[in-house]
Amino acid sequence: DAKTTQPPSMDCAEGRAANLPCNHSTISGNEYVYWYRQIHSQGPQYIIHGLKNNETNEMASLIITEDRKSSTLILPHATLRDTAVYYCIVRPLGNYGQNFVFGPGTRLSVLP
Amino acid sequence: DTAVSQTPKYLVTQMGNDKSIKCEQNLGHDTMYWYKQDSKKFLKIMFSYNNKELIINETVPNRFSPKSPDKAHLNLHINSLELGDSAVYFCASSQAGTGDEQYFGPGTRLTVT
Repeated sequence: DAKTTQPPSMDCAEGRAANLPCNHSTISGNEYVYWYRQIHSQGPQYIIHGLKNNETNEMASLIITEDRKSSTLILPHATLRDTAVYYCIVRPLGNYGQNFVFGPGTRLSVLP
Repeated sequence: DTAVSQTPKYLVTQMGNDKSIKCEQNLGHDTMYWYKQDSKKFLKIMFSYNNKELIINETVPNRFSPKSPDKAHLNLHINSLELGDSAVYFCASSQAGTGDEQYFGPGTRLTVT
């Protein structure tokens, strides 16, 4: 079972920031937060991951609360191509015995 | 260049048949995976291979067997196909020490009739 909880769906206006929340209240000290997305009929795509510090790359920013029990993925200027299902996953780094457990995710619809 | 490729993209077959899905990655990664995404869209890991050794084997029927001829390939063989095997199967790869981000293939849609 997934160790994360996400809203099932969200809407965002094109050009605005999309803020996708994720709760992971039972996260362990050695577990990272990963975000992936799956655009319709495609394979999942890695977005970003982090441990406790906020992270930013060319795709998104990841904000992790100080207690690490929740995080937010931010797409700063959402486009129609960002419409997808977004998955928040927690797992230890480098432990192949720990699966990437994908929950139902959040279906983000970017509206024109 | 395609990083992770799968063949075929679509596979329609009858119950009881044996089929294979091929996966190749040109990223030089040391670990490859197979996932199943069912009709409810839940994505579940089936296997992973690291340096030709099976690392994870989830509660998958033994009709499913991964075979890795080399580090760049991880094929999925399915014997005695059943209706419940209908799903989209994704191959993925990752490299230890780089954040473990996985790169996924485009998927193979298997339909068992």
